[in-house]
Amino acid sequence: RKEVEQDPGPFNVPEGATVAFNCTYSNSASQSFFWYRQDCRKEPKLLMSVYSSGNEDGRFTAQLNRASQYISLLIRDSKLSDSATYLCVVYNNQAGTALIFGKGTTLSVSS
Amino acid sequence: NAGVTQTPKFRVLKTGQSMTLLCAQDMNHEYMYWYRQDPGMGLRLIHYSVGEGTTAKGEVPDGYNVSRLKKQNFLLGLESAAPSQTSVYFCASSYFQRGYIADTQYFGPGTRLTVL
Repeated sequence: RKEVEQDPGPFNVPEGATVAFNCTYSNSASQSFFWYRQDCRKEPKLLMSVYSSGNEDGRFTAQLNRASQYISLLIRDSKLSDSATYLCVVYNNQAGTALIFGKGTTLSVSS
Repeated sequence: NAGVTQTPKFRVLKTGQSMTLLCAQDMNHEYMYWYRQDPGMGLRLIHYSVGEGTTAKGEVPDGYNVSRLKKQNFLLGLESAAPSQTSVYFCASSYFQRGYIADTQYFGPGTRLTVL
């Protein structure tokens, strides 16, 4: 089983749609969780951290379920500019200093 | 404030040639990392450094060497390039990762390397 698994997509949605991505992780000792965004042929950038209580940043909501070992990202009112690949990232200090990246879920928003 | 920069942006090598990729950051970060990204594989850690003068192996270190002689620079070397090293290489830096907390990693724009 991969350490961090994501549905690769692509998710093709119209503008204004709500879309949700899920991610599962295998190591129950993982401590920190993130969503990074990567535009085509660009570097990854932090979108948001994921906290146990769930957190929201504008149209984006991230949630963590430690019992089921999954992380979710909800995007409301999708914009064309949301088209990108979303990387689920997990940190476990028992694995050294490494962040473990999922392979990413691709979102394409169309007008 | 340039953030994280990488040199070169593109490079084509022949099998057996050597090269060095340069990463520089101006954020006074302690931690620096080298990743490679291949289609269908995601980002994989090659080597990392937790401070000036220190380096450590990541998930896929074979065929690569690194050096961190100055805090702001992290060099990735390929001594004898192989076609399997064709990839996009990203450098990243962060303030820290300790205990249960991992700080944001800031990535450079990447180097696209092709080995023929």
